[in-house]
Amino acid sequence: DIQMTQSPSSLSASVGDRVSITCRASQNINNHLHWYQQKPGKAPKLLIFDAFVLGEEVPSRFSGSGSGTVFTLTITSLQPEDFATYYCQQSQNTPPETFGQGTKVEI
Amino acid sequence: QVHLQESGPGLVKPSQTLSLTCAVSGDSVSTADYFWSWIRQRPGKGLEWIGYISYSETTYYSPSLKSRLTISVDTSKNEFSLKLSSVTAADTAVYYCARRMGPGRGWFDPWGQGALVTVSS
Repeated sequence: DIQMTQSPSSLSASVGDRVSITCRASQNINNHLHWYQQKPGKAPKLLIFDAFVLGEEVPSRFSGSGSGTVFTLTITSLQPEDFATYYCQQSQNTPPETFGQGTKVEI
Repeated sequence: QVHLQESGPGLVKPSQTLSLTCAVSGDSVSTADYFWSWIRQRPGKGLEWIGYISYSETTYYSPSLKSRLTISVDTSKNEFSLKLSSVTAADTAVYYCARRMGPGRGWFDPWGQGALVTVSS
């Protein structure tokens, strides 16, 4: 199974900051990497699919990059509604589907 | 717009069977190439894939849950279901249903709102 490792596990940031989250795969997953945002008490929401394609109605301050084994989710100019937990997920070699452990973005 | 909604008991006794249903609207569970999925999240933990069923009713299960798991689909009601037997406290979680796109499009979208299931006597 492909293991997904996110870093950091949590981070503190301020409104307006630029934030980056890294997701590493245990083997090459090409661009089959997807990002989700989860707010407390809510279901995850698709943010980015195939490494860099923004989901529907996702603000342009979110961007994704990377290929192979290392991927990055970047939020430019962090907004109050962006404080949440972010998960990556690979779909190169499935099943099983595997997610990263999550990164909590806190104030 | 596609909408998924979980339903089922919120409390299950240890050793019994957890049963949940996901009602789908705005799409058909018979649509080719989709995988109708279950994912859970234990309290304070990350996302754990449970399994899914394809439009052709082929099932794929997490190896760690396979021996206790059944996922099925009811095309007449446009819904799919999860049954997890012999539950313990470790199965306490929020259970989400989600649509997984088909081959080459491996993301989950949309998700249901989630159903909290507590295993306790």
